[in-house]
Amino acid sequence: GAGVSQSPSNKVTEKGKDVELRCDPISGHTALYWYRQSLGQGLEFLIYFQGNSAPDKSGLPSDRFSAERTGGSVSTLTIQRTQQEDSAVYLCASSFDPGTNEKLFFGSGTQLSVL
Amino acid sequence: QKEVEQNSGPLSVPEGAIASLNCTYSDRGSQSFFWYRQYSGKSPELIMFIYSNGDKEDGRFTAQLNKASQYVSLLIRDSQPSDSATYLCAVKGSGNTGKLIFGQGTTLQVKP
Repeated sequence: GAGVSQSPSNKVTEKGKDVELRCDPISGHTALYWYRQSLGQGLEFLIYFQGNSAPDKSGLPSDRFSAERTGGSVSTLTIQRTQQEDSAVYLCASSFDPGTNEKLFFGSGTQLSVL
Repeated sequence: QKEVEQNSGPLSVPEGAIASLNCTYSDRGSQSFFWYRQYSGKSPELIMFIYSNGDKEDGRFTAQLNKASQYVSLLIRDSQPSDSATYLCAVKGSGNTGKLIFGQGTTLQVKP
């Protein structure tokens, strides 16, 4: 596609439910990033993929958070047993090659609200 | 100490003035530095990147890097109301993971 696509754009869930957030990066981009942004805050790094592997998952807040990427393309961020503090905008970004072309292109984000 | 620190602001400047945005980082081995602009309710977009000490100019924007002081700044000349946004400093760490760490952002308000 023309840009990074994220779905859903909005997700309202009840505390304790599991949610899946999807990111479809720009075709040909090898690197994919997940960030979280709470209201009025900066971007909190969650995980980074190079191809299908995740060299750095140090930002995942707890073992309730997991992510995978398949076929070097689509990525899914899963949050199990959601908590109210998980409420935030989850942003996905991709880049062509983090070694030589590091410009990140961001999706529009998924606004997650945990009631 | 946060890895990337910015004053959250808001920084208010009159139209036509120079806006100066500052950022410090903790990883002395960092090599790549970026400025992203984020309008309210929108996603960040890259406006400048800099790798070497000194100044880099692009139109009304100038990025400045001082690795010895672990300091990077963004100057916006002839500020316009349309420049009103949050400016995020991002730093790629010294590890070989591609991880990009963002500061909390500085909100800039340009008043007509």
